[in-house]
Amino acid sequence: NAGVTQTPKFQVLKTGQSMTLQCAQDMNHEYMSWYRQDPGMGLRLIHYSVGAGITDQGEVPNGYNVSRSTTEDFPLRLLSAAPSQTSVYFCASSYSGSGAETQYFGPGTRLLVL
Amino acid sequence: AQSVTQLDSHVSVSEGTPVLLRCNYSSSYSPSLFWYVQHPNKGLQLLLKYTSAATLVKGINGFEAEFKKSETSFHLTKPSAHMSDAAEYFCVGLNTGTASKLTFGTGTRLQVTL
Repeated sequence: NAGVTQTPKFQVLKTGQSMTLQCAQDMNHEYMSWYRQDPGMGLRLIHYSVGAGITDQGEVPNGYNVSRSTTEDFPLRLLSAAPSQTSVYFCASSYSGSGAETQYFGPGTRLLVL
Repeated sequence: AQSVTQLDSHVSVSEGTPVLLRCNYSSSYSPSLFWYVQHPNKGLQLLLKYTSAATLVKGINGFEAEFKKSETSFHLTKPSAHMSDAAEYFCVGLNTGTASKLTFGTGTRLQVTL
């Protein structure tokens, strides 16, 4: 049972490049989400999904796309990277997302946009 | 919507002395509140959660938190700090609706000195 996995661990992009951050979980969780962590700001919700085929925006969705074709995977796409997207990105999952459940976090992806 | 405020961005204690990390919340209804810990270059781990049951919540590694409605507080404490407690701690609130969304405080960095 690997929990929540994220790839890559580190990435450097040039402004305007696109990339996909991968997130997978093997706990059969319905709810998955993406956060970004910036100094002094805690974690902020980018997008979330309550099940395969269902996604919605969080607090800071601009510049990011998501899709959820399977229960296990929830990739985050940066369409045209900007320096403001330099951050640490965390993926999280929980069983249903409908209550005060423990959310399980991946180890994070550190992204630098030049 | 619920918000949480962590009153200290940085706390330094000596090993063996008590730890107090302060968190206030604002909510028009009974909240669900959590404390998460993040060790350097790691993901987030749940320490404890409050979900309208007992007001004193015990978590892992000797941490506990007390929900005080009259003070709108949910402070995290530990009787005796250990070097391994050095980390960043996040107070987190839960916004319920169509899906659960976590609202993070800005974090408190705990330093433990010899």
